[in-house]
Amino acid sequence: QSALTQPASVSGSPGQSITISCTGTSSDVGSYKLVSWYQQHPGKAPKLMIYEVSKRPSGVSNRFSGSKSGNTASLTISGLQAEDEADYYCCSYAGSSTLVFGGGTKLTVL
Amino acid sequence: QVQLQESGPGLVKPSGTLSLTCAVSGGSISSSNWWSWVRQPPGKGLEWIGEIFHSGSTNYNPSLKSRVTISVDKSKNQFSLKLSSVTAADTAVYYCAREVSSSWYFDYWGQGTLVTVSS
Repeated sequence: QSALTQPASVSGSPGQSITISCTGTSSDVGSYKLVSWYQQHPGKAPKLMIYEVSKRPSGVSNRFSGSKSGNTASLTISGLQAEDEADYYCCSYAGSSTLVFGGGTKLTVL
Repeated sequence: QVQLQESGPGLVKPSGTLSLTCAVSGGSISSSNWWSWVRQPPGKGLEWIGEIFHSGSTNYNPSLKSRVTISVDKSKNQFSLKLSSVTAADTAVYYCAREVSSSWYFDYWGQGTLVTVSS
């Protein structure tokens, strides 16, 4: 069970859109619609942003959206704002009642 | 509003056992949710440790399974983590979280507690 692969960092200017990828295998991301995304600001607990690939919890801005194609899931943030600067983690069900996280992506808003 | 609060020693000696408790308030640990532990070494990513249902059923990360025990105390509305034979590599912020059953995502998290393994 290996960690999902995310880019170490992405950046964008305010108002722009960015996409963070999360690549797994046919044993995890590719086999289940059970990918979630978390936002983590420094020194804080993670916060759920997307679940079941593309569903948004109540209270999360509609600027955040999720999708999946094959073994890769993606988180897109549109209309970037300064407060979106944070670390983002993907997470997938990996079968046999286990979960696996991605390595995390640091988003910088320029 | 569900709240989770981790507690336990912040310093554990190498080869010892790390023990943490997560107190749940604002909701019952006997609900249909699972209850998980997740850790984050300083400056690194998140790692799922394992989960428990109020019935006592557990699932663990295969890489940690031989050293991990998660238990539940329904009378106190809390669950606990024990990690044995710890080394410096187990130094991390440990979070407890509520996991939505069958959907495998975490909707509520504790604030986290730093556990350092050092002599």
